[in-house]
Amino acid sequence: AQKITQTQPGMFVQEKEAVTLDCTYDTSDPSYGLFWYKQPSSGEMIFLIYQGSYDQQNATEGRYSLNFQKARKSANLVISASQLGDSAMYFCAMREGGGYSTLTFGKGTMLLVSP
Amino acid sequence: ETGVTQTPRHLVMGMTNKKSLKCEQHLGHNAMYWYKQSAKKPLELMFVYNFKEQTENNSVPSRFSPECPNSSHLFLHLHTLQPEDSALYLCASSQEGDRGPGNTIYFGEGSWLTVV
Repeated sequence: AQKITQTQPGMFVQEKEAVTLDCTYDTSDPSYGLFWYKQPSSGEMIFLIYQGSYDQQNATEGRYSLNFQKARKSANLVISASQLGDSAMYFCAMREGGGYSTLTFGKGTMLLVSP
Repeated sequence: ETGVTQTPRHLVMGMTNKKSLKCEQHLGHNAMYWYKQSAKKPLELMFVYNFKEQTENNSVPSRFSPECPNSSHLFLHLHTLQPEDSALYLCASSQEGDRGPGNTIYFGEGSWLTVV
């Protein structure tokens, strides 16, 4: 079974609008971390935001926020006021358990921002 | 400037060649990773090094040979590759030990490999 599911292969949004990228996860470990990364066409994987399983509040980093719904096992990324430079692939990823665990990635969502 | 640098950025090699990918992290981290990203597939973990010791080898063929001489440098030696090995190879690093699954893994810009 997939541990990270991103159901949107592609999303379109107009500049200055908000967009939500979906992510659901599957784990039986009570301790886990959820991450979102951005990958432009150049290839670099850029860390955006982190949410821990025990965090009470949703994470925010500038225009990025994470809508964490633990009971639903979802961790959607919200980008407010989209910019042309936001066009990229976006990956949701998870680390489970104690230290030295590794990241499991979803298949990604391609976001295109139009003027 | 990224905290994790990879060279070369682009590499074209024949199936009989031997080449190496290099990664250096400037973040003082104690763990380093190689990931492979093929078209239309999720990122796949290849190798993990903690404090220079290999702790994970994710069933990677022996034509890929990692080397970690110290905690700042990681190499991936390539020999007799196949065309299906063409992919983006991403190096990453993290500081492990205190925050458990909350330790962020930081990636480099990747090395685009084409095997002809």
